Amino acid sequence: DSGVTQTPKHLITATGQRVTLRCSPRSGDLSVYWYQQSLDQGLQFLIQYYNGEERAKGNILERFSAQQFPDLHSELNLSSLELGDSALYFCASSPRFGSTGELFFGEGSRLTVL
Amino acid sequence: AQTVTQSQPEMSVQEAETVTLSCTYDTSESDYYLFWYKQPPSRQMILVIRQEAYKQQNATENRFSVNFQKAAKSFSLKISDSQLGDAAMYFCAYSAGGQGGSEKLVFGKGMKLTVNP
Repeated sequence: DSGVTQTPKHLITATGQRVTLRCSPRSGDLSVYWYQQSLDQGLQFLIQYYNGEERAKGNILERFSAQQFPDLHSELNLSSLELGDSALYFCASSPRFGSTGELFFGEGSRLTVL
Repeated sequence: AQTVTQSQPEMSVQEAETVTLSCTYDTSESDYYLFWYKQPPSRQMILVIRQEAYKQQNATENRFSVNFQKAAKSFSLKISDSQLGDAAMYFCAYSAGGQGGSEKLVFGKGMKLTVNP
């Protein structure tokens, strides 16, 4: 158990809909990362938040947004869903200072868009 | 931008044998971290081993060891005495460790390892 909690584990929805994925980082970790894993693109970095502020942005679509709340949990919002958004979405966390570079991953949220 | 390349999409090994997974990366940084993560069918990403670039000594974790060649930008993983539970996707990953603003991991595309009984 990595200590990172993601909900829901599975989600099935239709094209055009909007979903929210939730992540609770390990206790004490200030950084949260979101990754998308699809068969053809591998693990793609989407976005990172540190202590409530956006720190780095990767290949995140404009239809996607994220935020980190004062209690450090994070949400990834996916809107106007398309078939190609079907993927496994991972959240990971890490401490900031004294970081060894390692990220601790949750079990992922499997999104299926029909 | 940093890139990580895993050129072998699939490999197989006999149980109890040794297998080596290859990885190359590209970076202009002098200090960074390299990782091997394992993703079994349960899909959980599990850290296998970590290497700090400033350390010349290759990292070892039980049956897992790396061959880190900094000049060649090569980072291979050797699995000794392979077990059925080693069957998984293996991802090589790079982190600048906070230099340049983010500690994010950059992943290779992964390699599927099959262990034959």
